[in-house]
Amino acid sequence: QEKVQQSPESLIVPEGAMVSLNCSFSDSASQSIWWYQQHPGKGPKALISIFSNGNKKEGRLTVYLNRASLHVSLHIKDSQPSDSAVYLCAVRSNTGANTGKLTFGHGTILRVHP
Amino acid sequence: EAAVTQSPRNKVTVTGGNVTLSCRQTNSHNYMYWYRQDTGHGLRLIHYSYGAGNLQIGDVPDGYKATRTTQEDFFLLLELASPSQTSLYFCASSDALGASQNTLYFGAGTRLSVL
Repeated sequence: QEKVQQSPESLIVPEGAMVSLNCSFSDSASQSIWWYQQHPGKGPKALISIFSNGNKKEGRLTVYLNRASLHVSLHIKDSQPSDSAVYLCAVRSNTGANTGKLTFGHGTILRVHP
Repeated sequence: EAAVTQSPRNKVTVTGGNVTLSCRQTNSHNYMYWYRQDTGHGLRLIHYSYGAGNLQIGDVPDGYKATRTTQEDFFLLLELASPSQTSLYFCASSDALGASQNTLYFGAGTRLSVL
C-alpha cells in the first residue's frame, strides 16, 4: 500500500514569509498528488493537484513534483494568517486493487503569525 | 460549491453502544466515502460506495458497517462501539474514483467519543 510522509510536522512563520511543505511517497506509478487544507473544526478542502513531473502554479501556490525522487512540495508565497491550517498531502494510487484510492499523509501544521 | 452535510456533529456513547453517523451530499456525485482521522494516523478510509446499494471495503473496516440508501445518503454504523473507535469521522463525495482529476469534497466531521 502507498506510504505518504510529510515534513515538517509543524511550522511557524511570520506573515509575508514563503512557506515550503514537503511530501514523499512510495509508488512512482502514483496517478496524481493532491494538497488539501484543513482549518480547525472543518473538513479538508482541496487546494491544488499535480499529475505530471514539473511544477504547477495557481495564485500564491506552487507545487513541484519529482517522480524520480518520489517527492512533491507545496510552496505558499506571501503567507497570510488565514493560511494557518493543517496541510495534507494525498496520493492517488494507480496500482491494482488500490487504483483510484487516495492515501493521506499525517499533515503539516502551519501557523502564520501577524 | 459542492455540499456534504454530516450529522450529528458530536456524539458520546458508551462501550457496546449502537451508533449511526449520517451523511448527505447534494453534489449528484457517484462516490461517497467514510474516513476517520486520528493523531498519528492521519485520514484513513473505512468504507466507500459508488452508488445506491453498493459498498466497498476500505483500509480500516473492522468494527464498522456502512449502507448507501440513495445516491445522496451514506450511513456509517457502529453496532458494538469500542473506545478504540473514538475519533473524528469525515464523510466525502466525489464524481469518480479513478479519474486523475477527481476532487474529494468533505463534510465538517463528526466527533465521536466512546466511553
